[in-house]
Amino acid sequence: DAGVIQSPRHEVTEMGQEVTLRCKPISGHDYLFWYRQTMMRGLELLIYFNNNVPIDDSGMPEDRFSAKMPNASFSTLKIQPSEPRDSAVYFCASSPGTSGEDTQYFGPGTRLTVL
Amino acid sequence: GDSVTQMEGPVTLSEEAFLTINCTYTATGYPSLFWYVQYPGEGLQLLLKATKADDKGSNKGFEATYRKETTSFHLEKGSVQVSDSAVYFCALSDRESGNTPLVFGKGTRLSVIA
Repeated sequence: DAGVIQSPRHEVTEMGQEVTLRCKPISGHDYLFWYRQTMMRGLELLIYFNNNVPIDDSGMPEDRFSAKMPNASFSTLKIQPSEPRDSAVYFCASSPGTSGEDTQYFGPGTRLTVL
Repeated sequence: GDSVTQMEGPVTLSEEAFLTINCTYTATGYPSLFWYVQYPGEGLQLLLKATKADDKGSNKGFEATYRKETTSFHLEKGSVQVSDSAVYFCALSDRESGNTPLVFGKGTRLSVIA
């Protein structure tokens, strides 16, 4: 299996622009998680999905952030408009969801820089 | 709510030294416990896990034992190598609430010098 795939790996944009991050989970996994990592705040959960349905989005910083999962093999995290404080590494992770198997598998991350 | 506390770094060791990174947790349920490792420029990789009391997770020479009585899951390795330099995260998952997101500690940066 290819593991969790994220694109792009690096994104540099200017303040006010729209940014879209993409994630392909491991095939057959029922759960998908979006995390953000910064030096100041460490790893934070933004949102997670179960069978393509958002379960908890309380970690989404504000209305500028939105996430979708239109099917089992694809999810997007969108920031519009972007701000310099959004600069971080964004990770996607997926998990099988079967009873007792709660290990999460992480993608390589997208490093976002907002100028 | 659930939380994880791990020792603050950075930790700097000489090659072949013994490593301990402390981790304690607070959970309302009966969590699974994990150690993840993040090498420079990469995502998090599962290092080891344990799902019940007294279980020992092990991988690549690293070990951690699930201690319910002390709510701890300390990471140990008998002889570190330069290639072990990375950031290590302790985490828990509250299985009784279903497949919930991981709660992470803040991470401990380990540097091993030759």
